[in-house]
Amino acid sequence: EDQVTQSPEALRLQEGESSSLNCSYTVSGLRGLFWYRQDPGKGPEFLFTLYSAGEEKEKERLKATLTKKESFLHITAPKPEDSATYLCAVQAPAGGTSYGKLTFGQGTILTVHP
Amino acid sequence: DVKVTQSSRYLVKRTGEKVFLECVQDMDHENMFWYRQDPGLGLRLIYFSYDVKMKEKGDIPEGYSVSREKKERFSLILESASTNQTSMYLCASSLVGRGSYNEQFFGPGTRLTVL
Repeated sequence: EDQVTQSPEALRLQEGESSSLNCSYTVSGLRGLFWYRQDPGKGPEFLFTLYSAGEEKEKERLKATLTKKESFLHITAPKPEDSATYLCAVQAPAGGTSYGKLTFGQGTILTVHP
Repeated sequence: DVKVTQSSRYLVKRTGEKVFLECVQDMDHENMFWYRQDPGLGLRLIYFSYDVKMKEKGDIPEGYSVSREKKERFSLILESASTNQTSMYLCASSLVGRGSYNEQFFGPGTRLTVL
């Protein structure tokens, strides 16, 4: 069974204080690892897809990296508007009943204080 | 931009009522999904559909059914609502094949309260 564990559960940062969120996973044949941002009361917003170990992607103050066992979401010089829940998900190989399914972690609640 | 819309942002129903949640996507995606999200339990897959009239059970299908008569529309049905179905319901859609690794795009969610 695919498993995704995110840590920490909650993270409080001061504005400008860089840090990283962790996503550890176990899956039979990773097809893709996805990062989402979710604001309170809203649906998740897609951020990144990572396909293979060593891959990195960046968007503004966010940078996602991937190894064979985990992914990191690095936040550089965060601002209060970066406060949100960040979700990680893995995708099993397509076919059969796992067609396109994602397995989500519990999320990390990030709060950035001014 | 992909757009996924859900029929209601907030819904209040009585125990035993039949409830319909509607989801529409405008990007010709083959796959559509229904999740529920609860504090401490994360996102859990209820049902998904990979084609019109096709459906597959997710991890928690009990008490729910779905309908997909048109490619762009996926409905979640609570046959007889119960208080433990009070939750945030999220619809998502994705492409399949064509080199895509199936990023799912989510709607804004429906906050359902069953009294």
